[in-house]
Amino acid sequence: KAGVTQTPRYLIKTRGQQVTLSCSPISGHRSVSWYQQTPGQGLQFLFEYFSETQRNKGNFPGRFSGRQFSNSRSEMNVSTLELGDSALYLCASSSAGYNPTDTQYFGPGTRLTVL
Amino acid sequence: GNSVTQMEGPVTLSEEAFLTINCTYTATGYPSLFWYVQYPGEGLQLLLKATKADDKGSNKGFEATYRKETTSFHLEKGSVQVSDSAVYFCALRDGDMRFGAGTRLTVKP
Repeated sequence: KAGVTQTPRYLIKTRGQQVTLSCSPISGHRSVSWYQQTPGQGLQFLFEYFSETQRNKGNFPGRFSGRQFSNSRSEMNVSTLELGDSALYLCASSSAGYNPTDTQYFGPGTRLTVL
Repeated sequence: GNSVTQMEGPVTLSEEAFLTINCTYTATGYPSLFWYVQYPGEGLQLLLKATKADDKGSNKGFEATYRKETTSFHLEKGSVQVSDSAVYFCALRDGDMRFGAGTRLTVKP
């Protein structure tokens, strides 16, 4: 089975721009979660989607948004980029999502640099 | 709320040394516990997991036992290799996933 894929792997943007990141989950997985990883804050949960619905959301400003399509692929969007948005954005998929025994499988991440 | 506390790093060991990375958790329900590993420039890879008390997860020589009485899930390996150098994350899941801060391990030849 193919793993979680994320595109693009690297992005360079300037302040004020917007960016869209894409995640394709493992085939058959219906839950997709997004995380931001920075050296200072570690891994922080952004949001989770299940069957095209946002099921849970972390403590991030409204500039961060996401969506999930009927084929479970997900995108996240960051508008009006700030320097502090520079981070590794990780996507994780799991089969159903809210079962504690359900394992999340991570993609390689998208490295976003904001200049 | 649920949370995970990991021992702070970095940890530096010589090849073939014994490894322990401490992890304790706080949870109101019955979470599953995980160890993930992150190599430079990559995403997180599942290393092992345990879904109930007294379960032992193991993989690639790493082990961790779900101890409900001490709310711990310490990661151990009897003999580390240079290739084990990475950042290790302890995590719990009870609905949401919660991650520890990560422990950087460097193994020197």
